[in-house]
Amino acid sequence: AQSVAQPEDQVNVAEGNPLTVKCTYSVSGNPYLFWYVQYPNRGLQFLLKYITGDNLVKGSYGFEAEFNKSQTSFHLKKPSALVSDSALYFCAVRGPNTGRRALTFGSGTRLQVQP
Amino acid sequence: AAGVIQSPRHLIKEKRETATLKCYPIPRHDTVYWYQQGPGQDPQFLISFYEKMQSDKGSIPDRFSAQQFSDYHSELNMSSLELGDSALYFCASSRSLKTGEKLFFGSGTQLSVL
Repeated sequence: AQSVAQPEDQVNVAEGNPLTVKCTYSVSGNPYLFWYVQYPNRGLQFLLKYITGDNLVKGSYGFEAEFNKSQTSFHLKKPSALVSDSALYFCAVRGPNTGRRALTFGSGTRLQVQP
Repeated sequence: AAGVIQSPRHLIKEKRETATLKCYPIPRHDTVYWYQQGPGQDPQFLISFYEKMQSDKGSIPDRFSAQQFSDYHSELNMSSLELGDSALYFCASSRSLKTGEKLFFGSGTQLSVL
C-alpha cells in the first residue's frame, strides 16, 4: 500500500527566511509525488509534481521540491517565505503499480510565516 | 478558467437523513474523485469514476453511493447519516486516469450532521 508521512504538524518560519516542509513516502515502484496547498475554507490547490527527470522540481508561487530516491523523501522548499504562504500543505503520492489511481495524502503540515 | 464546481457549499442534516452532493468537473475532464476530510484530518479517498464507470474504491461506507453521469458530473449519495459523517467533502477532476495527471479540486461541501 502506498503511504505518505509528514512528520511535522506545524512549521514556523520568519518572513524572508527559507522554509522546508518535510515529506517521506512509501510506494511500490517509481512514485508520482505531488504537493498541494489548502487555504481556509478552500479546496486543495496543486503546487507541483514529480514524475520523472530532474530531482529538483519547480512549482507555483516560487515553491520547489527535491526528490530523493535513496531517502524516499520529497521535501517542499522555498528560498524566501512570505506571510501569504501561511496555509496547510499536503504531500501526496500515487504509485504506478498499485492500481490505485487516486492520490494518497499525508496528514498535512501547517506552515505559519511570521512577519 | 473554469474550475470544479461543487454544490451545495454547506449542508446541514440530522442523523438518519439522506444527502446528495454534486460535483461538476472541469470541461473535458473525464475523471472524478471524491474525498472526505474530517476536522483536522487529511483528505481520505472515497471513490473515483472514469468515463462514467467506477475506477477505484477507497474508504467509502456502504451507506454511501456515487455515480458519474453522461455529462460527466458526479453525485455522492449519503444515506442513514451519522454524526461522524460531518466533514468537508471534496470532489476533484482530472483529464484522464494517467498516473501523472494532477487533480483539480473543488471548494468542497461542508456537511454537518446534527
